[in-house]
Amino acid sequence: GDSVTQMEGPVTLSEEAFLTINCTYTATGYPSLFWYVQYPGEGLQLLLKATKADDKGSNKGFEATYRKETTSFHLEKGSVQVSDSAVYFCALISMNYGGSQGNLIFGKGTKLSVKP
Amino acid sequence: EPEVTQTPSHQVTQMGQEVILRCVPISNHLYFYWYRQILGQKVEFLVSFYNNEISEKSEIFDDQFSVERPDGSNFTLKIRSTKLEDSAMYFCASRYSSNQPQHFGDGTRLSIL
Repeated sequence: GDSVTQMEGPVTLSEEAFLTINCTYTATGYPSLFWYVQYPGEGLQLLLKATKADDKGSNKGFEATYRKETTSFHLEKGSVQVSDSAVYFCALISMNYGGSQGNLIFGKGTKLSVKP
Repeated sequence: EPEVTQTPSHQVTQMGQEVILRCVPISNHLYFYWYRQILGQKVEFLVSFYNNEISEKSEIFDDQFSVERPDGSNFTLKIRSTKLEDSAMYFCASRYSSNQPQHFGDGTRLSIL
């Protein structure tokens, strides 16, 4: 079935470092791809999305490009801040499994800690 | 900005007891979802609800689970006879239409003793 694989955490970086969190997916067809973020004590918030190949989603300095050839959607940020410390989830909407209803399939999440 | 709200934030229940988790989706949203996250594991889809009926459900959503939208504002998840392995964080989500993203609540942490 459809699935999402993220790099294992935790990831610890110094402020202003470059961030990459890898995400690859397995899906039939062309799923929509998402990054969600969960700050401590809060729910899941949509960070960015891409709905077709070569689309680039961006928000708050984060970017991810939908790469069909490598089935990837890696999250990047050029200069992280302490306030970016959170858990990041890669997800897709499976077009086979209730795609019309928009059910999300998530990766395991990657915890990011940014030190001052 | 409108939010999805979930209550309680933490629920502790004895094994075998029934539990009801409550969610108030954003008021004009039409699609509703429950997900769960066992500690250290993935966020997993449980069920979606549209037009007053279940539209999709996962293998996890067996006969001990049920959902209701009793009054046009609340969206509840009931677990009839809880098991230890039901301990998890349960997230409710809603969205307005199929091309809009899902909005999530802060979750209910369910602990089964």
